[in-house]
Amino acid sequence: AQSVAQPEDQVNVAEGNPLTVKCTYSVSGNPYLFWYVQYPNRGLQFLLKYITGDNLVKGSYGFEAEFNKSQTSFHLKKPSALVSDSALYFCAVRPRGSGNTPLVFGKGTRLSVIA
Amino acid sequence: GAVVSQHPSRVICKSGTSVKIECRSLDFQATTMFWYRQFPKKSLMLMATSNEGSKATYEQGVEKDKFLINHASLTLSTLTVTSAHPEDSSFYICSAPRGMPGGNEQFFGPGTRLTVL
Repeated sequence: AQSVAQPEDQVNVAEGNPLTVKCTYSVSGNPYLFWYVQYPNRGLQFLLKYITGDNLVKGSYGFEAEFNKSQTSFHLKKPSALVSDSALYFCAVRPRGSGNTPLVFGKGTRLSVIA
Repeated sequence: GAVVSQHPSRVICKSGTSVKIECRSLDFQATTMFWYRQFPKKSLMLMATSNEGSKATYEQGVEKDKFLINHASLTLSTLTVTSAHPEDSSFYICSAPRGMPGGNEQFFGPGTRLTVL
């Protein structure tokens, strides 16, 4: 069965400090990996995705994520956090080759950036 | 990027009434759309897969007679919550996959907040 784990319900970081939001997955083969962000009462906004190639993926708003196949992880990172980054972050996976299958989401991690 | 809209964005209804939520792909055709439900401070739970021209596929534990899905066209799927009760109050989000370089990508609607009194 496919699953995504986001071990932290909440991450607190001071503004200007680097942030990491963790994600590990359990999917057979090499999946597509995604990060989405959700602001209060809003839908999901796409941040970045890993398809193939360079393990370090750069996305929107200065975020990046590193795909680590041996650790089956896809942690989200940003070198310098902003207060406006405070939101709910979801990691998601989809098996490779399954074009119209739904994403499998982690439970989400709430990021709070403190000024 | 592709755009998916939902209407209404927010609805408040009385217990026992039915509520219809629309999901539209605005600039692409979607033979498949997905409906998710999100509880407060929880992840997205896939409810069903909406298929244009055929019946929807429901996830285990989701009542198909309660949550009616109709994929009326290549750009529209509707979710009707029938005889709504307070426990149906939730945030409902739809998504549609679209072919992108490197593989399909899902585009999400802005969500519909349903409150049943």
